[in-house]
Amino acid sequence: GQNIDQPTEMTATEGAIVQINCTYQTSGFNGLFWYQQHAGEAPTFLSYNVLDGLEEKGRFSSFLSRSKGYSYLLLKELQMKDSASYLCAVLDSNYQLIWGAGTKLIIKP
Amino acid sequence: DAMVIQNPRYQVTQFGKPVTLSCSQTLNHNVMYWYQQKSSQAPKLLFHYYDKDFNNEADTPDNFQSRRPNTSFCFLDIRSPGLGDAAMYLCATRQLLGRMDYNEQFFGPGTRLTVL
Repeated sequence: GQNIDQPTEMTATEGAIVQINCTYQTSGFNGLFWYQQHAGEAPTFLSYNVLDGLEEKGRFSSFLSRSKGYSYLLLKELQMKDSASYLCAVLDSNYQLIWGAGTKLIIKP
Repeated sequence: DAMVIQNPRYQVTQFGKPVTLSCSQTLNHNVMYWYQQKSSQAPKLLFHYYDKDFNNEADTPDNFQSRRPNTSFCFLDIRSPGLGDAAMYLCATRQLLGRMDYNEQFFGPGTRLTVL
């Protein structure tokens, strides 16, 4: 079967750095997405990785290792508004998105 | 601004009473998706349209139907809502460029459905 694993919940302090991990087992791989979802709102696109390595976008970076079936989202200089769920999703061989359940990130002052 | 719009944002219906959720887009994307998302769970794809071609997920209950009368609009019909159908329903769009290309999906704000 296809499976995406992420921690259910993480807590971090304002101004700190946090890394949210995602491991996947899918039938084929055509890229990995990270989305941010605030409570009661729709997911918004953060990043897309299809090649190994680190992609940096301001305070957010995303890393991919295809051989390990592993990605992480790195958030720096955390702000209170970063409190949200972070969803990892993999595009499988049929170009269908397989979603993880999301990691709820709680930021404390 | 180009966007994905869902109406209503909150919908309350009674057990067994048909309900229709709507989605419209100004992005002119050729693919539209309907997802069901329950609390702390991954979005679950119900079906999608590539232009007018309808694609139903194998495990989508027959109780759920969809219509796409034109590029801009897509509807989700729940024929006989049960208590288990209470969830957030997300509409998303994307532009399919070609088999080897993939753009991100753009989501609407969602409709939260309550079944009494």
